[in-house]
Amino acid sequence: KAGVTQTPRYLIKTRGQQVTLSCSPISGHRSVSWYQQTPGQGLQFLFEYFSETQRNKGNFPGRFSGRQFSNSRSEMNVSTLELGDSALYLCASSFGGGAGREQYFGPGTRLTVT
Amino acid sequence: AQSVTQPDIHITVSEGASLELRCNYSYGATPYLFWYVQSPGQGLQLLLKYFSGDTLVQGIKGFEAEFKRSQSSFNLRKPSVHWSDAAEYFCAVGAGERSYNTDKLIFGTGTRLQVFP
Repeated sequence: KAGVTQTPRYLIKTRGQQVTLSCSPISGHRSVSWYQQTPGQGLQFLFEYFSETQRNKGNFPGRFSGRQFSNSRSEMNVSTLELGDSALYLCASSFGGGAGREQYFGPGTRLTVT
Repeated sequence: AQSVTQPDIHITVSEGASLELRCNYSYGATPYLFWYVQSPGQGLQLLLKYFSGDTLVQGIKGFEAEFKRSQSSFNLRKPSVHWSDAAEYFCAVGAGERSYNTDKLIFGTGTRLQVFP
């Protein structure tokens, strides 16, 4: 069974640009969550989607947005990039039954903003 | 609010030695608890989880963890460490109440494990 895939793996953008990251969950998984990982703030929850609906949202500015498609694939978008957005963005998927369900993480997208 | 504390930022052990990584959580009810491992440049791999029942949980790669409600702890242990165990380890708690549907996890700051031959 294929794992969670994220594309692209690496990305370099300039401040002020926007970026879209993609996540394909494990087949059969309906829930996708996104996390930002930085050396200073650690792992922080961005948002969670289940059956194309945002189920939960972290404490990030509105520049961060996401969506989920009918095939459960998810994208996240960051507009007007800032230097502080440089991070590893991790996607995780699960069957979506709620708290306690095992989540499987992708390898991440390393975003560098210059 | 829920929180997770990993008091040790960096631990160094010799190969073959035993290991214990500490994790303390703050949560109002019975938590869902997880340990994940992250190798450099990689995503997170689930080592083990606690939902309910037996407080000693077995995981992959020879790891185990013990849930102690009285101490609000969920420490990770391994009897004999291998060089390939060098990585960063994260403890996490499920953020939602058991009746609330969310997969959101709250992570600790991680413990970096270094293994000397």
